Amino acid sequence: EIVLTQSPATLSLSPGERATLSCRASQSIGSYLAWYQQKPGLAPRLLFYDVSNRAPGIPARFSGSGSGTDFTLTISSLEPEDFAIYYCQQRTNRPLHYTFGQGTRLDI
Amino acid sequence: EVQLVESGGGIVQPGGSLRLSCAASGFIFEGFWMHWVRQVPGKGLEWLSQINSDGSGTNYADSVRGRFTISRDNARNTVYLQMHSLRAEDTAIYYCARDKNPTVAGFDHWGQGALVTVSS
Repeated sequence: EIVLTQSPATLSLSPGERATLSCRASQSIGSYLAWYQQKPGLAPRLLFYDVSNRAPGIPARFSGSGSGTDFTLTISSLEPEDFAIYYCQQRTNRPLHYTFGQGTRLDI
Repeated sequence: EVQLVESGGGIVQPGGSLRLSCAASGFIFEGFWMHWVRQVPGKGLEWLSQINSDGSGTNYADSVRGRFTISRDNARNTVYLQMHSLRAEDTAIYYCARDKNPTVAGFDHWGQGALVTVSS
């Protein structure tokens, strides 16, 4: 099973700063990587699918990059509403299976 | 507007069974794969199961294979998760989610979640 390791576990930043979140896969996953944002008491929200394809309604300050085993979610200038937990997710096809990273908490 | 609404959560004794439902609206249900994902409160996300658009294909995480069964009724726009032999470690919030597209990685719509508590 492919393991996703997110770092750091917690990131403490201020509004206006740049956030860089990492997700590393235990083996190559090509471009089958998604990012989600989750706020307390709410379901996860899709940010990016297939590494860098922004989901509808996601602001341009969010960007996704990477390939193979190393992936990055960047928030160029943090807004107060961006403080949340972020998860990466991968997909493998044979057999079809998905795993999530353990999450990065972005604290104000 | 796409909506996914889970129901059927509650308290069940260890070894018991429960069936979750997820009612979909606002999109052509029969055209999409569906998933179940769970989250222990305060912890991370765990993918559980997937079903393809016509219900002919399913996949499971090792943690639930043989105990949980995913199914769907496209006439009722509903996906189900039948859970048997429940354990304390199955206590979690259970979400249904829509697969954005079978060729990409991403679940683009999620329900609000249903809490399942396994306790005597």
